[in-house]
Amino acid sequence: GIQVEQSPPDLILQEGANSTLRCNFSDSVNNLQWFHQNPWGQLINLFYIPSGTKQNGRLSATTVATERYSLLYISSSQTTDSGVYFCAVNGFSGGYNKLIFGAGTRLAVHP
Amino acid sequence: EPEVTQTPSHQVTQMGQEVILRCVPISNHLYFYWYRQILGQKVEFLVSFYNNEISEKSEIFDDQFSVERPDGSNFTLKIRSTKLEDSAMYFCASRTRRTSNEKLFFGSGTQLSVL
Repeated sequence: GIQVEQSPPDLILQEGANSTLRCNFSDSVNNLQWFHQNPWGQLINLFYIPSGTKQNGRLSATTVATERYSLLYISSSQTTDSGVYFCAVNGFSGGYNKLIFGAGTRLAVHP
Repeated sequence: EPEVTQTPSHQVTQMGQEVILRCVPISNHLYFYWYRQILGQKVEFLVSFYNNEISEKSEIFDDQFSVERPDGSNFTLKIRSTKLEDSAMYFCASRTRRTSNEKLFFGSGTQLSVL
């Protein structure tokens, strides 16, 4: 099945810094979503972005489907950005389609 | 944005007991999923469900697990005889269409602790 790799696995930032999280996938996809898992364990959907670029406040994401990667940009990071960021993808092949998650990037933002 | 609702948010049970985790998918959605996340690990697919039957299940979803849509609005996951290793966060998700090129909406999860 499709493989999803996220990097870096861990990231420590000072408040106000910018960061880029990467998601590589092994096959063509028709769905890619970025999630933030907060300290309470909730999965917060950030972007649905199978291709192209989207922005939402301090966050933006770009997916280059032909090169099989997606990037999540966090600008002017805040302590509330801490948590785990997951990338999840759906391939074109398969039956009833399920999202496959990467292992996540654990982000800690310090004041 | 519409929401998938899960109850309870936390459940504590004794090993060997049956538990039922409940989900109310978004009202016009037709495809339903359960995912599981053991503490510190990635989110794993358990099962998908459409038209009152299982569409796909993972190797994790063994005979101890079952799913049901009992009344047209709720979607439940039952674990027949819980084991310590069933302790995890369980997420329900739903979407409107079969095709995968559509956002999957997740609930806020049920944290299951098996003692």
